[in-house]
Amino acid sequence: GAVVSQHPSWVICKSGTSVKIECRSLDFQATTMFWYRQFPKQSLMLMATSNEGSKATYEQGVEKDKFLINHASLTLSTLTVTSAHPEDSSFYICSASIGGDTEAFFGQGTRLTVV
Amino acid sequence: AQKITQTQPGMFVQEKEAVTLDCTYDTSDPSYGLFWYKQPSSGEMIFLIYQGSYDQQNATEGRYSLNFQKARKSANLVISASQLGDSAMYFCAMRGANTGGFKTIFGAGTRLFVKA
Repeated sequence: GAVVSQHPSWVICKSGTSVKIECRSLDFQATTMFWYRQFPKQSLMLMATSNEGSKATYEQGVEKDKFLINHASLTLSTLTVTSAHPEDSSFYICSASIGGDTEAFFGQGTRLTVV
Repeated sequence: AQKITQTQPGMFVQEKEAVTLDCTYDTSDPSYGLFWYKQPSSGEMIFLIYQGSYDQQNATEGRYSLNFQKARKSANLVISASQLGDSAMYFCAMRGANTGGFKTIFGAGTRLFVKA
């Protein structure tokens, strides 16, 4: 299968700072990328869908100004958690697809801890 | 509305035995895909098996098979000859046009424990 690389794997940051997480498709062009959030012992909750060159579509209840998503190229999408707080601590995972009804491939995930 | 339901929070199975993980879904899409993923403690999502809604035959991938019953809207995962390394969280997922941009939605997951 195709490879999606997510960086960093884990990050610890101070409350009030911003953190950027990268999601790269290494061997295919990802028209669409998805960002999920997963709390301990829970399922993956979709945060937003991003299509290359256009604004991300956020799920209900997800703060657009807090979770900034950029999908400037067909191989890179970034999620920036702005002014992070301890309650933002979670596992964030991205997936990417070439578009349409095709399989989406997952990154390794990023464990964010805000102290 | 699109929904995936996994009613088994946890399952135990003896090593070398088969186990079935349940999944039911609800969708208004005429065409959709059903997936199963394995998530070990490391957190990565490992793709296991895919079933298209128009596929006539049940999908199989090695020790994994998907028992697809379209009329009942169920897509149970069967793992044969369980191994200790199969202990993990398992998620059933669905993808279809009406979920908006073909996004994948997930069930709550089932934690599988394989006993030696």
